Formats: sequence, C-alpha cells, structure tokens
Amino acid sequence: DAGVIQSPRHEVTEMGQEVTLRCKPISGHNSLFWYRQTMMRGLELLIYFNNNVPIDDSGMPEDRFSAKMPNASFSTLKIQPSEPRDSAVYFCASSFSNTNYGYTFGSGTRLTVV
Amino acid sequence: DAKTTQPPSMDCAEGRAANLPCNHSTISGNEYVYWYRQIHSQGPQYIIHGLKNNETNEMASLIITEDRKSSTLILPHATLRDTAVYYCIVRVPGANSKLTFGKGITLSVRP
Repeated sequence: DAGVIQSPRHEVTEMGQEVTLRCKPISGHNSLFWYRQTMMRGLELLIYFNNNVPIDDSGMPEDRFSAKMPNASFSTLKIQPSEPRDSAVYFCASSFSNTNYGYTFGSGTRLTVV
Repeated sequence: DAKTTQPPSMDCAEGRAANLPCNHSTISGNEYVYWYRQIHSQGPQYIIHGLKNNETNEMASLIITEDRKSSTLILPHATLRDTAVYYCIVRVPGANSKLTFGKGITLSVRP
C-alpha cells in the first residue's frame, strides 16, 4: 500500500499562473479531502468528496480555487490565477466513509507563489 | 467555535509517559474522540479514536472520562520521534462528517 500520493512535492510559480495539484487516494477509499495549512490559519478543510461527488466546498476560499474528482483514483485542486497569499502546504487525505476509522494523509504539496 | 480545548504545549522526558489532556465538554452522544499528530513537515497521522471505552493500540492509549467531557492521550514511553503537534478532535463518523483541526498541543520530548 503506497498510501495517499500527492504531486508535485514542491511547486514554485509566479503570480497569475495556473497551478494544478494532484492526489491519488488509497485504493478502495471512497472519501477524499483537500486541506490547506499555513502558520496563520493552521489546517483548513477546503473541500471533500464522497464517491467522487463533492459534498462540501464551503472551505474553498474563492472562485480561483476549483477541485475535481473524475474517478475514484484521482483528484485535482486547481488555482487560477495564483496569488502570493495562496502559498501554503496543501494536503490530500482519503478514508472509508462508512467506517469510523481515521483519515490517511499524503505528504503534501508545498506551494510558493512569487 | 472550538469543540475541544487543549493546552498549547507541554514537554516530557524521553522514556517517560506523556499524558496529553483534552477537554470536550459539549461532546454529543454520537461523537467520537479522535487523536492525530503532525510531525514537522509531514501530513497528519491518525493515532487512535474512541467513543466511551478506553482504547489502546500499538501507538498509544486513550482514556475517556465517564462523563465523556474530557480525555487523555497517553504515549507510554515517549521518544524524541514523538515530538509533534497532537490534535484532539470530536466528530460523528460518516460520509457527511468533516474532520476539523484546531490548534493542537505541541509536545516536546527532551533527551
């Protein structure tokens, strides 16, 4: 079991550019979560999916952010256009929704927007 | 509106037990207590969870008071690698339930 796989591990981009973060959940997990972590705001839940359907996107900061889950094994978080205040570590996590066990987190993508 | 309160930090000596407290006085009957930790620069890691009975696994023990208003995570023999931020979270498990992180408690294990 390779765990939750995120790519890239690090991303440096210029303000105004489009950024796409990728996540492969654990095989068989049917819930997927995107979090953002900054020193100021801590860990924030951006959006989560159940069975590939977005359930709650109330944490998405603004329209520049979008997330998709085209199938059970892949999800993307896109920022367009990116801004320096988007700099953060973005984590993806997955779980079985029908159990009370915990989430498994990926190693994160460290995004720097200059 | 935080559902749990934790002290901001604590430390303990290597090899000794680390007892991390958490208050959740407004917990409802179907909410579980979850503990996660985050070692520097890594993603959060699930540790343990419980409803009302004490639980133990290979990582830690969870002691929940009888009234369920507080709990303690116990690392029986802390090592330097246990230095991390520990999060106590209450949550109803299920497809429409979110895992919301607070500020957690920073545990520093000293040699």
